[in-house]
Amino acid sequence: TQLLEQSPQFLSIQEGENLTVYCNSSSVFSSLQWYRQEPGEGPVLLVTVVTGGEVKKLKRLTFQFGDARKDSSLHITAAQPGDTGLYLCAGAWYNQGGKLIFGQGTELSVKP
Amino acid sequence: DTGVSQDPRHKITKRGQNVTFRCDPISEHNRLYWYRQTLGQGPEFLTYFQNEAQLEKSRLLSDRFSAERPKGSFSTLEIQRTEQGDSAMYLCASSLYSGDTEAFFGQGTRLTVV
Repeated sequence: TQLLEQSPQFLSIQEGENLTVYCNSSSVFSSLQWYRQEPGEGPVLLVTVVTGGEVKKLKRLTFQFGDARKDSSLHITAAQPGDTGLYLCAGAWYNQGGKLIFGQGTELSVKP
Repeated sequence: DTGVSQDPRHKITKRGQNVTFRCDPISEHNRLYWYRQTLGQGPEFLTYFQNEAQLEKSRLLSDRFSAERPKGSFSTLEIQRTEQGDSAMYLCASSLYSGDTEAFFGQGTRLTVV
């Protein structure tokens, strides 16, 4: 059983469309991080959310942490081909040494 | 210092051979983590160090796996008697223990056991 469930697992859209990726858990996390990973490379940190209800924006990307700190969403506005990649959410607990529990990832393909 | 560095980037080995990977973390980071990622999955935690002390090992880390961080700087991950199921991307990450958990990853070592 996956502790962090991401949906959808695969997403193929046209350039200019909007999309939302969800990350859900039954556990409460101290913090949640979103990463983007390209084939053959390591994950690159996009954002860390810590406070329940927190919203962070990174250009066309909007990240939200659920009020109960169990879930998160990533919304991309006007997707571009350069947004193509694997998006990973990862939860952490401060009293667990900072190890990350990852979701399965969402494979996003943005076609021109 | 430009980030977490891993070496080698790719390794092909025959079943039964031993392999060793190296990770150089961001210099001021005192925590270092090893993860394993198979195709189509998110990374899975293997083990982590705070300075030179190995504080936790996952059940995924069988007796054939050993990790060290002798001087609290770089770390090595050794796999003895490799099996085909060990084929995966091995990722290293580091963080600065300061209450939050922002971790920065290296580019990974892709292991293929033939």
